[in-house]
Amino acid sequence: NAGVTQTPKFRVLKTGQSMTLLCAQDMNHEYMYWYRQDPGMGLRLIHYSVGEGTTAKGEVPDGYNVSRLKKQNFLLGLESAAPSQTSVYFCASSPPRDRRLRYTFGSGTRLTVV
Amino acid sequence: TQLLEQSPQFLSIQEGENLTVYCNSSSVFSSLQWYRQEPGEGPVLLVTVVTGGEVKKLKRLTFQFGDARKDSSLHITAAQPGDTGLYLCAGVETGANSKLTFGKGITLSVRP
Repeated sequence: NAGVTQTPKFRVLKTGQSMTLLCAQDMNHEYMYWYRQDPGMGLRLIHYSVGEGTTAKGEVPDGYNVSRLKKQNFLLGLESAAPSQTSVYFCASSPPRDRRLRYTFGSGTRLTVV
Repeated sequence: TQLLEQSPQFLSIQEGENLTVYCNSSSVFSSLQWYRQEPGEGPVLLVTVVTGGEVKKLKRLTFQFGDARKDSSLHITAAQPGDTGLYLCAGVETGANSKLTFGKGITLSVRP
């Protein structure tokens, strides 16, 4: 009964380094999302996917790439980290054909770029 | 411009008090949700409302969707310290059915 699992939970990067955040869900959800949460800014959508092999840009996609090679996994990549990418990152998923889009969130990854 | 405006931004009350918070927009939503987020955790879905005028109750929490499906309110009766957290509203815009739009949230603190 894991739901949505994000790894790692914490990470410190140096400017210019790259990393991949992993999101895994075991609920057979079609839709998956990556958000970042910053003080005073709320949750902002980075990228999302409506199915295996598909991805789309959200509100703040610059500096990030994603891949959805398997239905249960959604990867978020930072190719060259910048201090502006310091944030808490949340992954979410939503059931198939559920027009109400009831999200299940992971517990987040706290990323600091120095 | 924020699509979903939540107010007030911060609220600190004494245990036992009642409160109402709001989520407003100029856009029409096919559904609207409320989530609660505790420190260090992801948001957790509390309720989904889909019909204009709909009222849903979850123990001491009462959620209402506006008649025109542009706004919602959350009323908490006899608040308890366990209600402390960040309350987020989120909506599915009519015609944009693959992602949620979130408000910035309301930080509620209930003092014992």
